[in-house]
Amino acid sequence: DVQLVESGGGLVNPGGSLRLSCAASGFIFSSYSMNWVRQAPGKGLEWVSSINSGSNYIFYADSMKGRFTISRDNAQKSVYLQMNSLRVEDTAVYYCARGWGCSGGSCFLLDWGQGTLVTVSS
Amino acid sequence: EIVLTQSPGTLSLSQGERATLSCRASQSVRSDYLAWYQQKPGQAPRLLIYGASTRATDIPDRFSGSGSGTDFTLTISRLEPEDFAVYYCQQYGSSPPITFGQGTRLEIK
Repeated sequence: DVQLVESGGGLVNPGGSLRLSCAASGFIFSSYSMNWVRQAPGKGLEWVSSINSGSNYIFYADSMKGRFTISRDNAQKSVYLQMNSLRVEDTAVYYCARGWGCSGGSCFLLDWGQGTLVTVSS
Repeated sequence: EIVLTQSPGTLSLSQGERATLSCRASQSVRSDYLAWYQQKPGQAPRLLIYGASTRATDIPDRFSGSGSGTDFTLTISRLEPEDFAVYYCQQYGSSPPITFGQGTRLEIK
């Protein structure tokens, strides 16, 4: 079975940093695009970032550019999200998701982890 | 950036009824690269439909997707108790950003 397990969330002060991890199993990790999607409390889904299988196509939502960095380690079957200069409005559950059917870097999302909560507050 | 607008915001129906959810795009979605997801409280979203009309693995055939261009529909033919949830559409036909609709809440009447 496909499993995506996020970790690294928690409480952080505004301006602080966190690094999220997503450990994958049950599929050939190196063949898939990976994505981060977030959901603020009581709100809808917001795409954050994507990285293709070879790490040569990386995209970010505008509000995350320059603050967030996505990366992956195919040997470790993991994808990461380094989040710097965190703002109160970054408070959300962050999901990692396996992408497929990609077009120009955009994919539909086959499988999702259970998410990790990031709370930015003083 | 393609903006997706879902309607209605909330849909109140009874078990056994037919549900019709709409997703309208601000510009044409290339190659009908539109997906639908279901999300229940406290759970991650689950892929239902991709390519506007292709059911994902293990999705019951009471779920169907249709549409093209800028207008798409998710239909649930006969509502089961487990179908009451929030539904999101998502387009992936253009370069990022991937965009989602704001969601339709399907609630028990």
